[in-house]
Amino acid sequence: EPEVTQTPSHQVTQMGQEVILRCVPISNHLYFYWYRQILGQKVEFLVSFYNNEISEKSEIFDDQFSVERPDGSNFTLKIRSTKLEDSAMYFCASAHGKRGGRQETQYFGPGTRLLVL
Amino acid sequence: LAKTTQPISMDSYEGQEVNITCSHNNIATNDYITWYQQFPSQGPRFIIQGYKTKVTNEVASLFIPADRKSSTLSLPRVSLSDTAVYYCLVGPDDKIIFGKGTRLHILP
Repeated sequence: EPEVTQTPSHQVTQMGQEVILRCVPISNHLYFYWYRQILGQKVEFLVSFYNNEISEKSEIFDDQFSVERPDGSNFTLKIRSTKLEDSAMYFCASAHGKRGGRQETQYFGPGTRLLVL
Repeated sequence: LAKTTQPISMDSYEGQEVNITCSHNNIATNDYITWYQQFPSQGPRFIIQGYKTKVTNEVASLFIPADRKSSTLSLPRVSLSDTAVYYCLVGPDDKIIFGKGTRLHILP
């Protein structure tokens, strides 16, 4: 069964450094997402991406965050200048598309655990 | 987005059937009901989705009454490996807004 993959599985960085989290969505999917989960808290939506542009973003997704689909397979999340509070598990998800007006199932990757020191 | 309410936690024993009920009084006509499962340190995993009546797959069943103001996820004969957080979600939307979910703990 095809799956979403994410690299690295763990990343430790110093406050103020830039990090890039990488995701390879399922190959025929058209919609891409990033979520994050701070330890012990809810999974939070960050951003959705379709047709090479951001469809929607949350309040968390400020100017320090950016997403890119640099080629046909990768989908990246960049945090320009990390803060302590960016420490979390970051999940990438993808979906094939919409059917009958509703969003199809989102498939989540295993996550990247980011620790900002 | 319709708000959902589900129990914070539940305990059950191996081999039992577990039913987790979710309330969504403000569900809209075009909303679907979706359940995800999340194991510790893993991404959420789709379990089942439905619009009305009953849906069954190899993992679970989803019961939705005619008024659609609630739904029940049914897990037949649970095992220890079903210990996880279960999220009930309502909407047609692109983004998923996760609540706190129901922490299901299966005991031997």
